Amino acid sequence: AQKVTQAQTEISVVEKEDVTLDCVYETRDTTYYLFWYKQPPSGELVFLIRRNSFDEQNEISGRYSWNFQKSTSSFNFTITASQVVDSAVYFCALSEREVIQGAQKLVFGQGTRLTINP
Amino acid sequence: GAVVSQHPSRVICKSGTSVKIECRSLDFQATTMFWYRQFPKQSLMLMATSNEGSKATYEQGVEKDKFLINHASLTLSTLTVTSAHPEDSSFYICSAKQGAMNTEAFFGQGTRLTVV
Repeated sequence: AQKVTQAQTEISVVEKEDVTLDCVYETRDTTYYLFWYKQPPSGELVFLIRRNSFDEQNEISGRYSWNFQKSTSSFNFTITASQVVDSAVYFCALSEREVIQGAQKLVFGQGTRLTINP
Repeated sequence: GAVVSQHPSRVICKSGTSVKIECRSLDFQATTMFWYRQFPKQSLMLMATSNEGSKATYEQGVEKDKFLINHASLTLSTLTVTSAHPEDSSFYICSAKQGAMNTEAFFGQGTRLTVV
């Protein structure tokens, strides 16, 4: 069965610091997808990134970067020069191929509550 | 990205009553919709997967007679919490996918249900 572990329950840093959110996953499938979502206090989930299991290239998007390492089953997320607006709960999620009409279920990690202090 | 609208955003109901939550895909046809529940400071737990025109598939431990899901059209799925109890108070959030396996799901804004 698939599982996602975000060991860091809460992280608090001062603005402009870099911060890395860890994500470790378990799956028996060779084809899978990894996601990161941001959940601000308002509650909605904001999609940040999707990465498939065959693409191990790291990705950078502005201040955000992601490090995917299949050897350690990790998909870590780094925010560079953090800002107060980055404060939110961040979820890592895993999706395997599903047989039911192409649907893919997302399995979420426990989430990391990130607080950026001014 | 695509827009998924969930309504209502907040609802308070009396114990024993039923509450319906709507999830609409506004600018795409959602062949599959997912319903999640999130307790305070916890992760999202999948409740059920709903495909248009067919019965929903419920996750283990989720009572299908209590959480009625209807996906009557390609743009609308509803979750009805029947005979709600205080322990059903939670944040319910839906997501919708547009068919192909490798597309991401888009999430609604969520519904905070409080049963008193």
